[in-house]
Amino acid sequence: TQLLEQSPQFLSIQEGENLTVYCNSSSVFSSLQWYRQEPGEGPVLLVTVVTGGEVKKLKRLTFQFGDARKDSSLHITAAQPGDTGLYLCAGGRKGSNYKLTFGKGTLLTVNP
Amino acid sequence: NAGVTQTPKFQVLKTGQSMTLQCAQDMNHEYMSWYRQDPGMGLRLIHYSVGAGITDQGEVPNGYNVSRSTTEDFPLRLLSAAPSQTSVYFCASISSGQGIGYTFGSGTRLTVV
Repeated sequence: TQLLEQSPQFLSIQEGENLTVYCNSSSVFSSLQWYRQEPGEGPVLLVTVVTGGEVKKLKRLTFQFGDARKDSSLHITAAQPGDTGLYLCAGGRKGSNYKLTFGKGTLLTVNP
Repeated sequence: NAGVTQTPKFQVLKTGQSMTLQCAQDMNHEYMSWYRQDPGMGLRLIHYSVGAGITDQGEVPNGYNVSRSTTEDFPLRLLSAAPSQTSVYFCASISSGQGIGYTFGSGTRLTVV
């Protein structure tokens, strides 16, 4: 089983601060996805990265896929209370991207 | 709105009872999956389907059955509920053409007493 480890598990910061969460594995993935989940709802896809070294930006969120496609990071600039939620990374294998392996998530709280 | 619809939203079962969690999508996605989410365990794959009439087991399939008679529907059946099946269940779908990025339903919170 390919495992994805996310860190930190919990993160509580003040509005306006920057933060980075990490997603690491000893295995290579063909794609890496990031989701955000709010209480009582299902995860919502934020981004997918497929190329080693790829960087994608979504407003204040920056996603990076490691060169070896074993790790990824999510950086949030000037966090806002609306960024609060559970951030999940998920890896897909070549030919079976529908069978995702999920990390356990990082629970982010942004305090006003 | 297009998406994945799950019913019911909440359910309480007694040990030994059976029930079916419903899932329907209207995006004509080929692939559908069921995940369960438990505290500290993340999302774990129960069963998945790559098309109508084709299903397979995921990481934690014991105690669950699925079928896929149409592209739209992918019900999950609990045969004899156990307290260990208390969890939040998510159905998700994805297009083979897109290949990546699931659309999730809003979940079913199941409690087995």
